[in-house]
Amino acid sequence: AQSVTQLDSQVPVFEEAPVELRCNYSSSVSVYLFWYVQYPNQGLQLLLKYLSGSTLVKGINGFEAEFNKSQTSFHLRKPSVHISDTAEYFCAVSEQTGANNLFFGTGTRLTVIP
Amino acid sequence: ETGVTQTPRHLVMGMTNKKSLKCEQHLGHNAMYWYKQSAKKPLELMFVYSLEERVENNSVPSRFSPECPNSSHLFLHLHTLQPEDSALYLCASTPSLVGTRYNEQFFGPGTRLTVL
Repeated sequence: AQSVTQLDSQVPVFEEAPVELRCNYSSSVSVYLFWYVQYPNQGLQLLLKYLSGSTLVKGINGFEAEFNKSQTSFHLRKPSVHISDTAEYFCAVSEQTGANNLFFGTGTRLTVIP
Repeated sequence: ETGVTQTPRHLVMGMTNKKSLKCEQHLGHNAMYWYKQSAKKPLELMFVYSLEERVENNSVPSRFSPECPNSSHLFLHLHTLQPEDSALYLCASTPSLVGTRYNEQFFGPGTRLTVL
């Protein structure tokens, strides 16, 4: 079975500062990895995904993430955040074979301070 | 309408009421999901439908009853709920569950349910 750990439940950061949101996973099989963002009163929107190939993945809104297989991590980064990046961010995994099911972490609330 | 829509967006109900949540996808997808999102907990997968057949039921209490009349619509019928069932209920769809290629899930905005 898969599990996802997001150790930071809340991350405050000043506008234009860099940010890293941490994600670690455990799985007995190979996985796909995802980051979703949820703005207030909205559903989840895919930020980026790792399926195969280059371990550095670029997504929307200037975010990127790096897959580290040895550390079973998929941390999300942005070099300079904006007020509009304030949202909840969820890391998720899915088995590479079998069902399309996603297993989510508990989320990290990013608050960008003016 | 585009994407995945959910109605109502907010619902308050008593423990003895019967209500239904509706999800509609306008993406031509063949699979749909119900998730429960509670504060400080990971999203919980409740049900999965593929081509209108239920393919997964993750030990969800029988007071939640899903229905998928066609590949575009998904309902969640609610009956005799408990206060701990208060949460955001999210619907999602994906092109297909057939094959091993990953298909992205597209989420609706959710229904905020409060059980009094």
